[in-house]
Amino acid sequence: DAGITQSPRHKVTETGTPVTLRCHQTENHRYMYWYRQDPGHGLRLIHYSYGVKDTDKGEVSDGYSVSRSKTEDFLLTLESATSSQTSVYFCATQTQGTEAFFGQGTRLTVV
Amino acid sequence: SQELEQSPQSLIVQEGKNLTINCTSSKTLYGLYWYKQKYGEGLIFLMMLQKGGEEKSHEKITAKLDEKKQQSSLHITASQPSHAGIYLCGAPGNAGNMLTFGGGTRLMVKP
Repeated sequence: DAGITQSPRHKVTETGTPVTLRCHQTENHRYMYWYRQDPGHGLRLIHYSYGVKDTDKGEVSDGYSVSRSKTEDFLLTLESATSSQTSVYFCATQTQGTEAFFGQGTRLTVV
Repeated sequence: SQELEQSPQSLIVQEGKNLTINCTSSKTLYGLYWYKQKYGEGLIFLMMLQKGGEEKSHEKITAKLDEKKQQSSLHITASQPSHAGIYLCGAPGNAGNMLTFGGGTRLMVKP
């Protein structure tokens, strides 16, 4: 298994509160991604990173920000959580030309 | 942006039967990845196809890439309950690494 750890694995939070999800990898992969998975929508890319401090927006980036200060860590922040952000969040890592490896997911519920 | 459409969206088959899942792209495919997801878990990499006409097999699962049709198919022979899960196709974008995913095909295998 690729060394990808997501934390927390489950979280319930209130509307309007900030939330940070963490993805930690031990593979030294250059590329890291945050996806959300919702019924009827499959996996949608939120943000991605192609190196330390190099990030860019994906398909559904509104309401989310990311940071990557070290190769191994990619943080996803919901500045002010909304119910529409209730989802399962997956982190993935990849090196050039190979498959992406996925974490086990974080189930986030915003009440 | 590239869109991937999977068909069927869900499938129930009797154990021992063969089945095929299709993935059609709105744009030219520069490669195609197949993943499997067990319910409530992360994605497991199955196969990566990089060339038009390429075909790969792993155990009872065979995947083909037809670039001319912008389509890939995943075929399972003599299905087993262990094949149950969600199958997702993913394609790299113009940047080469960022993956766009189809909506997934939910497979159930009845013993």
